[in-house]
Amino acid sequence: NAGVTQTPKFQVLKTGQSMTLQCAQDMNHEYMSWYRQDPGMGLRLIHYSVGAGITDQGEVPNGYNVSRSTTEDFPLRLLSAAPSQTSVYFCASSTQGSTEAFFGQGTRLTVV
Amino acid sequence: GENVEQHPSTLSVQEGDSAVIKCTYSDSASNYFPWYKQELGKRPQLIIDIRSNVGEKKDQRIAVTLNKTAKHFSLHITETQPEDSAVYFCAASKGSGNTGKLIFGQGTTLQVKP
Repeated sequence: NAGVTQTPKFQVLKTGQSMTLQCAQDMNHEYMSWYRQDPGMGLRLIHYSVGAGITDQGEVPNGYNVSRSTTEDFPLRLLSAAPSQTSVYFCASSTQGSTEAFFGQGTRLTVV
Repeated sequence: GENVEQHPSTLSVQEGDSAVIKCTYSDSASNYFPWYKQELGKRPQLIIDIRSNVGEKKDQRIAVTLNKTAKHFSLHITETQPEDSAVYFCAASKGSGNTGKLIFGQGTTLQVKP
C-alpha cells in the first residue's frame, strides 16, 4: 500500500516555464489537497477537492491550476513559474470516515 | 475565511520538562482541530486531534485542550524527550472531520535539550 505518492521529489524550473506536480493516492480517499510550505508560514492550502470532478480554491490559489478527473489523481499545474513559487509542495488525502490527512513526501521546487 | 495563529514560533525546553503550544482560530464554525508533527525533511503526521464537542483529549504524554468560547486550543507535551524535537502545526477545519480543507498555523519549532 503506497499511500500518497508525489513526483518529482525535486525540480528546478526557469521563470516562465510550466510544469505539473503529480499526486496519486491508492486509498480511495474522497478528499485531496495541495499545500505549500514556506519558512515561518506553515502549510498554506492552495487547492482542494472533495471528489472527482470537484475542485475549489484554498488560501493561495493564484498561479496554480488543478483538476480531478479520477479519485486517485490530483495534479497541480504551474502555467508560468515565478520565483515566488519556490517552495516545498505537499499533497494530502483523507476520507470522511477518518480524521487523519495523509501527506505525500513532498516536492521541493526551485524557480530561478 | 478561517485564520489560525500559532505561538510561540520556537520553543526550547530541557528534557523532562513540559511544553505548551497555543493556537487561536477566527471562524466560530470550525469544529475540528488536529495537531501535526513534522520531523526534519519528512512529511507532517497527525499526532492528536480534537472535535469541538470535547474540551480535552489525552494520548499518553500528549494532550490537547479546546476553549470554544475563546476560540483557542493548545497542545501539551509532558516529560519531553529528545525525539519530541520537531516542528508542530495546529490546524482547523469545518465539517464533521477532516474534509480536505485544513487551515494551518505557522508552526512551532520545538527543541528538547538532553
